[in-house]
Amino acid sequence: QVQLQESGPGLVKPSETLSLTCSVSGGSINNYYWSWIRQPAGKGLEWIGRISTSGNTNYSPSLQSRVTMSVDTSKNQFSLNLNSVTAADTAVYYCAREISAASGRYFDLWGRGTLVSVSS
Amino acid sequence: DIQMTQSPSSLSASVGDRVTITCRASQNITTYLNWYQQKPGKAPKLLIYAASSLQSGVPSRFSGSGSGTDFTLTISSLQPEDFATYYCQQSYSTPRTFGQGTKVEIK
Repeated sequence: QVQLQESGPGLVKPSETLSLTCSVSGGSINNYYWSWIRQPAGKGLEWIGRISTSGNTNYSPSLQSRVTMSVDTSKNQFSLNLNSVTAADTAVYYCAREISAASGRYFDLWGRGTLVSVSS
Repeated sequence: DIQMTQSPSSLSASVGDRVTITCRASQNITTYLNWYQQKPGKAPKLLIYAASSLQSGVPSRFSGSGSGTDFTLTISSLQPEDFATYYCQQSYSTPRTFGQGTKVEIK
């Protein structure tokens, strides 16, 4: 079955760039939207943005100035860059697949999440 | 952005109880409303999509209803494995937004 796995540094210094990759295994990355969602400890879920396999992106307005997403279909991966990080960016980061169909639009598949801490 | 407001923020219930969680959108989202369950240390799991469609593999004690701005998630008979936090999420437009969550605890 299709699985998602986040990877990247668990510790990032303030003002630097957080970079994460989500690897898709067991199936093709094509023809879906792929999202990043984060969750600070003890808090709710925040959608960061999404990318299609044709490279179309939508970002959260609150993060848009600091976010860049990319996709590499040859590697079945997509990535997140968040620059100028602060302690407020400390969170568990999830990647997720969004189904978009006549039946609805929803996140049906999630990675296990990776904790990123911002600290010097 | 579309704001999603859940109520209550938490509730205590016993095994076998019927539990209802509500979610209100700040504008009409037709039926672009999804429900997720999250257990500590785990990723969210899709329960209900398009307001009332049960995701494959999800027990039938979970059901969803509503359209427009007001939605409900119902657990008909709470089981021990259902103690978790539940989130609603709108997919009508970007940015996608979630409710603040409802924590279902053991009474």
